[in-house]
Amino acid sequence: GNSVTQMEGPVTLSEEAFLTINCTYTATGYPSLFWYVQYPGEGLQLLLKATKADDKGSNKGFEATYRKETTSFHLEKGSVQVSDSAVYFCALILRTGRRALTFGSGTRLQVQP
Amino acid sequence: GAGVSQSPRYKVAKRGQDVALRCDPISGHVSLFWYQQALGQGPEFLTYFQNEAQLDKSGLPSDRFFAERPEGSVSTLKIQRTQQEDSAVYLCASSLYGLTGATGELFFGEGSRLTVL
Repeated sequence: GNSVTQMEGPVTLSEEAFLTINCTYTATGYPSLFWYVQYPGEGLQLLLKATKADDKGSNKGFEATYRKETTSFHLEKGSVQVSDSAVYFCALILRTGRRALTFGSGTRLQVQP
Repeated sequence: GAGVSQSPRYKVAKRGQDVALRCDPISGHVSLFWYQQALGQGPEFLTYFQNEAQLDKSGLPSDRFFAERPEGSVSTLKIQRTQQEDSAVYLCASSLYGLTGATGELFFGEGSRLTVL
């Protein structure tokens, strides 16, 4: 089946630190990959996406590169801010079959001033 | 409205009661999804509608769960004879596109938190 595995949190960083949240996936087909973010008291929202191997998704200073050889889509940011504190979900969708997102379990990021 | 709206935001039910959760998607959005999110977990797919047609209900955990979208807009998730294991946040999401144009870009509501005592 299809699944997404994320590093467990919480991840606690100081402001301006470098962030990496690991994500690996298993898929029966060729998926598109996503990072969604859930800020406190808000619904999930799309942060970035990549639809094919070696694509890099980026938004708000966050980046993730679709690595087919390692089945990974790690999220990175060079300098985190307190406002980045949230729960981050890695997800995939297949191009055929069930057309619904499959999510990882989420990683909570806490950024301290 | 501007976003996906869900109601009620919080619901406490006694075991055995029936509950109904409502979702108002973004106007004009073709696709509507329901997800279940247990505490500390990622969302798990329940069911999918394209307009009024329920195309996939493979994620519904039992026949106590029922969803409808009769006019292709508002959707209701109904849970009959609630059990404690039904306690979770129920998320609704919508997308402008149908199956053939599905891109994974969903707009989520804030969820309905159900607690079954």
